[in-house]
Amino acid sequence: DGGITQSPKYLFRKEGQNVTLSCEQNLNHDAMYWYRQDPGQGLRLIYYSQIVNDFQKGDIAEGYSVSREKKESFPLTVTSAQKNPTAFYLCASSLGTRNEKLFFGSGTQLSVL
Amino acid sequence: GENVEQHPSTLSVQEGDSAVIKCTYSDSASNYFPWYKQELGKRPQLIIDIRSNVGEKKDQRIAVTLNKTAKHFSLHITETQPEDSAVYFCAASNTGFQKLVFGTGTRLLVSP
Repeated sequence: DGGITQSPKYLFRKEGQNVTLSCEQNLNHDAMYWYRQDPGQGLRLIYYSQIVNDFQKGDIAEGYSVSREKKESFPLTVTSAQKNPTAFYLCASSLGTRNEKLFFGSGTQLSVL
Repeated sequence: GENVEQHPSTLSVQEGDSAVIKCTYSDSASNYFPWYKQELGKRPQLIIDIRSNVGEKKDQRIAVTLNKTAKHFSLHITETQPEDSAVYFCAASNTGFQKLVFGTGTRLLVSP
């Protein structure tokens, strides 16, 4: 998938369980993002990070958490507080911090058991 | 904050016809307008983008036009082919690190 890798491709969550989605990039991009995609809706921003050890909430951050300990990695944890987690999650990165020319991963489909 | 509306939600055309997808935005400070294409089961990919100092940009069969006064921009695809079938998303943002706001997507179906 050429530069940005998301895993797993499919993930199932049990009630009350936290799950973590992985996102790794080897593009040397500065900024990384997490989007949620629901059918019939656009991509909604969950969290973003411009530099290591710093990140900001997007429009729908409640029930999610992130970390940016390395430039290459931006994992997303879906906590038990997220009551409607079933969605397609997309990670993206961009060179520089101007939110332009996003390069997306192939996504993780999260479903609730 | 910025709000982006996209129309139509679905668009069916015959191969060889043109297709036009329109988006409107609310924040007059927005100055960057990309378009992403997402094929079924695949990741979105940037196909073209335009900045507010340009009124039109073309890349082979695709073009984007921008009307800053009316706050709308459009994607034009000429001589459509079946491989153009996908969901297309418009988006808008302004300078500095302001988040990219996406439209709700247009599902384009090109029939042979």
